[in-house]
Amino acid sequence: GAGVSQSPRYKVAKRGQDVALRCDPISGHVSLFWYQQALGQGPEFLTYFQNEAQLDKSGLPSDRFFAERPEGSVSTLKIQRTQQEDSAVYLCASSLLKEGAGYFGEGSWLTVV
Amino acid sequence: QKEVEQDPGPLSVPEGAIVSLNCTYSNSAFQYFMWYRQYSRKGPELLMYTYSSGNKEDGRFTAQVDKSSKYISLFIRDSQPSDSATYLCAMSPSYSGGGADGLTFGKGTHLIIQP
Repeated sequence: GAGVSQSPRYKVAKRGQDVALRCDPISGHVSLFWYQQALGQGPEFLTYFQNEAQLDKSGLPSDRFFAERPEGSVSTLKIQRTQQEDSAVYLCASSLLKEGAGYFGEGSWLTVV
Repeated sequence: QKEVEQDPGPLSVPEGAIVSLNCTYSNSAFQYFMWYRQYSRKGPELLMYTYSSGNKEDGRFTAQVDKSSKYISLFIRDSQPSDSATYLCAMSPSYSGGGADGLTFGKGTHLIIQP
């Protein structure tokens, strides 16, 4: 596709449930980022991939959060044992190597009840 | 104190006015500065990016960076109702593609252009 595609767009999870959020980046984009955006806040960095290598995961809030990009294309962000504070929009962005400004998807809206 | 400060607004101006949006920051290592526009329930869309200090113009949009004051601005001329959105500033110490630097965002300013 022409842009970054994320699924599901909306997810309601019961507390304690595991969720998986998918990001399909722009074809050929080497760099992929995940951000978390709480209501009324700016996005906050979670993790970064260059191809299949996860080069920075310093923003992941706890060990319940895990991200992978096994073939250097599609990425999945997994949240185990979801908590109410995990409710947020999870944004994926991709960019060509050496470009700092990423192209964002529309986000996956997670509500934990 | 957060690394990037941005007034959340809302900022309401009449159609046709010049809009000024601003951010201040504390990390002197920031070198790249971006402005994103975010409509409700959409992802951020890149409007402008600049490197170091100076001005950059693109159509009705002008971005200014003053590194000595740690202050960046986005000006919108001839504002239109379709410009109503949240405007996020973002910055990075380096080109993210060359390293692992994610962007640091402000909270965003909610802008309303009144017809």
